[in-house]
Amino acid sequence: EDKVVQSPLSLVVHEGDTVTLNCSYEVTNFRSLLWYKQEKKAPTFLFMLTSSGIEKKSGRLSSILDKKELFSILNITATQTGDSAVYLCAVVPSGQGGSEKLVFGKGTKLTVNP
Amino acid sequence: DSGVTQTPKHLITATGQRVTLRCSPRSGDLSVYWYQQSLDQGLQFLIQYYNGEERAKGNILERFSAQQFPDLHSELNLSSLELGDSALYFCASRRTGETGNTIYFGEGSWLTVV
Repeated sequence: EDKVVQSPLSLVVHEGDTVTLNCSYEVTNFRSLLWYKQEKKAPTFLFMLTSSGIEKKSGRLSSILDKKELFSILNITATQTGDSAVYLCAVVPSGQGGSEKLVFGKGTKLTVNP
Repeated sequence: DSGVTQTPKHLITATGQRVTLRCSPRSGDLSVYWYQQSLDQGLQFLIQYYNGEERAKGNILERFSAQQFPDLHSELNLSSLELGDSALYFCASRRTGETGNTIYFGEGSWLTVV
């Protein structure tokens, strides 16, 4: 069964700190890994990592994918209170006949205190 | 704004009742996905439709059913509701980008069963 494990489950930091969120996965055939940020309701898309794109960066956020060791990390530098959210990692197994079923981890709840 | 529209935003109903949740994908997107998010289970894939046809099925109970109509909107029907069905139900739409397909989520429908 495909599985995604995120750690830590929760994290409390102060503004300005740098955080690293972890995501490890077991999947029969890997296609891609996605990171989402969920504040109050809808998860909002952050990054997609594939075999052809193992490192992504957007502003203070960056992510890398290690396909050999089956994990990804999400880094947030110079954290702000607005970064407080649940960060979700999801993998997309390949060979699903056109389906893009996401298998989610349980998320990391990040709290950034002023 | 993901462009995925869900109604209703909130719904409170009694055990044993039946409800219908509605989703309109982003204009031009042919795929619709339904996910359930509860506190203890995280985001769970329920079902996917593509251009009116069921494409993939996940952990969807027999009491639940879905369909996608010719105008591509989708409905998720939940019947014989139980307290444990209380959750946030997300609809998502697939968007093809430069590096592959990404799933974008609607704001969700909060279902409370009392």
